[in-house]
Amino acid sequence: QLQLQESGPGLVKPSETLSLTCTVSGGSISSNHYYWGWVRQPPGRGLEWIARIYYSGSTYYNPSLESRVTISVDTSKNQFSLKLNSVTAADTAVYSCARVRSGCCVDIWGQGTMVTVSS
Amino acid sequence: EIVLTQSPGTLSLSPGERATLSCRASQSVSSSYLAWYQQKPGQVPRLLIYDASSRDTGIPDRFSGSGSGTDFTLTISRLEPEDFAVYYCQLYGTSLTFGGGTKVEIK
Repeated sequence: QLQLQESGPGLVKPSETLSLTCTVSGGSISSNHYYWGWVRQPPGRGLEWIARIYYSGSTYYNPSLESRVTISVDTSKNQFSLKLNSVTAADTAVYSCARVRSGCCVDIWGQGTMVTVSS
Repeated sequence: EIVLTQSPGTLSLSPGERATLSCRASQSVSSSYLAWYQQKPGQVPRLLIYDASSRDTGIPDRFSGSGSGTDFTLTISRLEPEDFAVYYCQLYGTSLTFGGGTKVEIK
């Protein structure tokens, strides 16, 4: 069964760059049927799409975050990554990686990782 | 960018009752590219409905989705104790957006 696991620092200083990696196990990231993405959820609040990527490298970014976000994929490692720069306290959230069915929606989620932005 | 507004914010109902959740889009949604998720405390969301009305694998038939254009509805015909949770709608296709969520709580 395919699983997703996020990794990265749980604490980032304001103005610095948040970097997370999602490792895909139990299946290949190089599938024609799926995209791979990142979603975040601030404490006590709703879900927010950050970005999505296809194994070939084509991307979609949330317009409200696009200027600060980069998503990338490494097929050799079966991983994809997120970088969010110039972070503020408003970026404090649980960050989850996700598998997205092509032409549809998220069907598998990582467990999520809490990232706090604080000095 | 299309904005999804969910209502009500909170729905207080008893087990066995019918729940009707609304998701309204700020512009017409082409091809009914709308999904519904259920999220329980401390858990990741679970896909319930996609393409506005198709149940995902293993989802009980008490959950149903309907709607098109700008107005979409998730209906839970008879609430079971495990259905009390937060529900999100999500737009996909050319845009990726979540609604703000509706909490279904025990009355």
